[in-house]
Amino acid sequence: GQQLNQSPQSMFIQEGEDVSMNCTSSSIFNTWLWYKQDPGEGPVLLIALYKAGELTSNGRLTAQFGITRKDSFLNISASIPSDVGIYFCAGPYPLNTGTASKLTFGTGTRLQVTL
Amino acid sequence: DTEVTQTPKHLVMGMTNKKSLKCEQHMGHRAMYWYKQKAKKPPELMFVYSYEKLSINESVPSRFSPECPNSSLLNLHLHALQPEDSALYLCASSQALGGNTEAFFGQGTRLTVV
Repeated sequence: GQQLNQSPQSMFIQEGEDVSMNCTSSSIFNTWLWYKQDPGEGPVLLIALYKAGELTSNGRLTAQFGITRKDSFLNISASIPSDVGIYFCAGPYPLNTGTASKLTFGTGTRLQVTL
Repeated sequence: DTEVTQTPKHLVMGMTNKKSLKCEQHMGHRAMYWYKQKAKKPPELMFVYSYEKLSINESVPSRFSPECPNSSLLNLHLHALQPEDSALYLCASSQALGGNTEAFFGQGTRLTVV
């Protein structure tokens, strides 16, 4: 099946630092979704992107839909301890046909914030 | 309201037991999903229901049996599971039609098979 590769795999940062992570695919996607998952909980949708080049913000989070449609980026500004968790990119694959779609998840980026 | 509710939150069952996981949403979504997630791995799709009909089964063993009694409810019936089936089981829902594929997840059921 389609694989979405995320990098970095994990990162340790200090509180207050900015964070950048990305998600790449060998195939074109029409939608990129970014989720955050806390331990033992379900993923929470952070940002949805639907157009190549689109830049969307949600508070301290900003995500971009890559021009090539094969990648997406997530930035977190001024990180705080509650940003700790695993961040997943996801997209419908095969391409969304307008009916219920299968979501393919990326490999995840584990973020740990130190005080 | 973007809430998907799953019960129970934790479940321990023996290999000969029969149990069910339940999921409920009231967002008017007509697509509902079961995902399985092992530790440190991304969620993996198991089943998709669209308009209460099973539309995707990702070659899941028959010891997992999904059921969609109505547009708000999704069940996963478990029977004769193996220890390797221990995982976090996630339910999700989304609008079935159109370009909006945003899926909203429940908090999951942590299943341990002993």
